[in-house]
Amino acid sequence: DTGVSQDPRHKITKRGQNVTFRCDPISEHNRLYWYRQTLGQGPEFLTYFQNEAQLEKSRLLSDRFSAERPKGSFSTLEIQRTEQGDSAMYLCASSFDWDSTYEQYFGPGTRLTVT
Amino acid sequence: DQQVKQNSPSLSVQEGRISILNCDYTNSMFDYFLWYKKYPAEGPTFLISISSIKDKNEDGRFTVFLNKSAKHLSLHIVPSQPGDSAVYFCAARPFSSGSARQLTFGSGTQLTVLP
Repeated sequence: DTGVSQDPRHKITKRGQNVTFRCDPISEHNRLYWYRQTLGQGPEFLTYFQNEAQLEKSRLLSDRFSAERPKGSFSTLEIQRTEQGDSAMYLCASSFDWDSTYEQYFGPGTRLTVT
Repeated sequence: DQQVKQNSPSLSVQEGRISILNCDYTNSMFDYFLWYKKYPAEGPTFLISISSIKDKNEDGRFTVFLNKSAKHLSLHIVPSQPGDSAVYFCAARPFSSGSARQLTFGSGTQLTVLP
């Protein structure tokens, strides 16, 4: 397994368009997280899945954002009617339930630019 | 409301010397702390962690110290190497009886190790 992968790595879109990002976690990981990182800041939590169930959402996740994890494997994050403030790096992470270090393994991220 | 703070945006150290990166937190519910390293165009990579029941954890050249009464932790890198040049993020996880395990990150410190 090569780790967490994300696609695309870069996305440029015009304001008002919809975009969708994909995350493939490490195969045996049952937990999946989405974070957003803006310039000069650390990653900020957006939402979390345990298997296919979305168990928590941050207040940062407005109603224009939706995330899914069908069948508890890969996940998608969709942003509808993008705004310039959505420009950021979107990071996906996965982890074990039973990992005593509570380490989350991050993907390389999708950099979104809204023009 | 920044619950995890890294007050030094940057740090420069000579190769072979000690690098000390600092992190402060405000939330008493945090019970596990992690350090991540991030190179440009890559996702954060786990470095080392510490539970709130300990005050020190070592892994090779990396040592993390936790002072719970001061709500302060630090990462020591000895000896520093040019390949250590990266952004270092401090992250914290709250104790929770529920399923949420999201990490709260600081804003990062750019470490530059000079040859």
